[in-house]
Amino acid sequence: DADVTQTPRNRITKTGKRIMLECSQTKGHDRMYWYRQDPGLGLRLIYYSFDVKDINKGEISDGYSVSRQAQAKFSLSLESAIPNQTALYFCATSDQLPGQGRTGELFFGEGSRLTVL
Amino acid sequence: GENVEQHPSTLSVQEGDSAVIKCTYSDSASNYFPWYKQELGKRPQLIIDIRSNVGEKKDQRIAVTLNKTAKHFSLHITETQPEDSAVYFCAASPNDYKLSFGAGTTVTVRA
Repeated sequence: DADVTQTPRNRITKTGKRIMLECSQTKGHDRMYWYRQDPGLGLRLIYYSFDVKDINKGEISDGYSVSRQAQAKFSLSLESAIPNQTALYFCATSDQLPGQGRTGELFFGEGSRLTVL
Repeated sequence: GENVEQHPSTLSVQEGDSAVIKCTYSDSASNYFPWYKQELGKRPQLIIDIRSNVGEKKDQRIAVTLNKTAKHFSLHITETQPEDSAVYFCAASPNDYKLSFGAGTTVTVRA
């Protein structure tokens, strides 16, 4: 089945370390996203990309960077991790603009739980 | 930007009863309103969505209503079942791709 895969699924690291979360998809979607989930705050958009050469900031991009290496791969980096970046991170994909049989539905990966000590 | 508020944060219902979750949004340009369900330890998944050109949409036991004048929309689950226990997120967007999510509602269906 076409899917969205995240690695690693769990990671514990220390303050100041560089961390990369990777996402790959076999859905053939152009649009990819990184969200952060915190209890009581819902899902917040960090970065999104519409194609390989397109990178856009979301609502909470400070402290994060991304790379769209290929249509199917979108990685999230924390250059110097801090404890308040402890969260569950989700990668997601979507098709192009809805209409003509396409929807705006987001397809999420299984999540990457990051703990920064 | 868009601000979405969701209430209640937790909801406990008896199996077979109805559950209602309400959301308000701030950006009058928003025209796409999806609802996602996240079961414990799982990824969020779309369960229903509505666009601003309709006031209500139904899919079996779930329905969503939209009041654009008041800028609020609601999820209704009828005849609740244990498998409806999950966290539900509403979202709003003026352009389909930059969703702003509510904080989530944890629904517990008591047997």
